Amino acid sequence: GAGVSQSPSNKVTEKGKDVELRCDPISGHTALYWYRQSLGQGLEFLIYFQGNSAPDKSGLPSDRFSAERTGGSVSTLTIQRTQQEDSAVYLCASSLEMTAGPGNTIYFGEGSWLTVV
Amino acid sequence: AQKVTQAQTEISVVEKEDVTLDCVYETRDTTYYLFWYKQPPSGELVFLIRRNSFDEQNEISGRYSWNFQKSTSSFNFTITASQVVDSAVYFCALADSGYALNFGKGTSLLVTP
Repeated sequence: GAGVSQSPSNKVTEKGKDVELRCDPISGHTALYWYRQSLGQGLEFLIYFQGNSAPDKSGLPSDRFSAERTGGSVSTLTIQRTQQEDSAVYLCASSLEMTAGPGNTIYFGEGSWLTVV
Repeated sequence: AQKVTQAQTEISVVEKEDVTLDCVYETRDTTYYLFWYKQPPSGELVFLIRRNSFDEQNEISGRYSWNFQKSTSSFNFTITASQVVDSAVYFCALADSGYALNFGKGTSLLVTP
C-alpha cells in the first residue's frame, strides 16, 4: 500500500485477554518501529526491526509484550494478559533504512487504539 | 541521554495569526537529526521536516518555517497566517545515529475562525 497500514484501528478487550496488533509497512521499507502513545505520556519507543531482526527489545514495557516480523514485511505486536495501563494508541512506523540518515524519513501509520476494560 | 522539551502544552490562536511552536533538545552527540511531525485528530503522525545537525539553514515551506539554532539547542517551528486546518498536535523529535526517535510531549494547537 501507499502508507503504513495498521489493524485493528480500534480494539476493546477485557483485562487479562491477549491482543495482537498488526502492522503492514510501506513496501520496500526495511526498518519497522513500534511506538506507544498514552494520554499525557507522549510517544514511547517500544521496539524496532531491521529486516526480521529486533536487535533491541529493551523498550518493551514488560515481558507481557512481544513482537515479531516475518518476511521482512508484516509485524505483529502481542500483548498477553492485558492490563488497564496497556490502554494506549500503538503506532507503527517504517523507513527505508534503520538510521535516521538522509532520505530515511520515518513514516507512521494511523495507530491501533487499544482500550482494556 | 536525549531529551526533547516542548514547553508549550496548548496554544490557541485566531485564524491568520502567526504562531511559533518551541522545541529545545539535549544531546551529547555531534551528529543528530531533528524532526517535526503533525498529528491531526485522525491520529496519524504526518512528517513535516527533518534537519541534520550540520545544517543550520532556516527553511521555509509555504506558510511553515523552521529556525534551527545549535547555540541555544532549539528547533522552533512557525506557522504564518494560521488556518483552521493547522489545528493539531505538533511533535518535535530527536534522533542520533541510532534508531529511535525521542519525541517531545507535543504542543496542541487550536486555530479558531
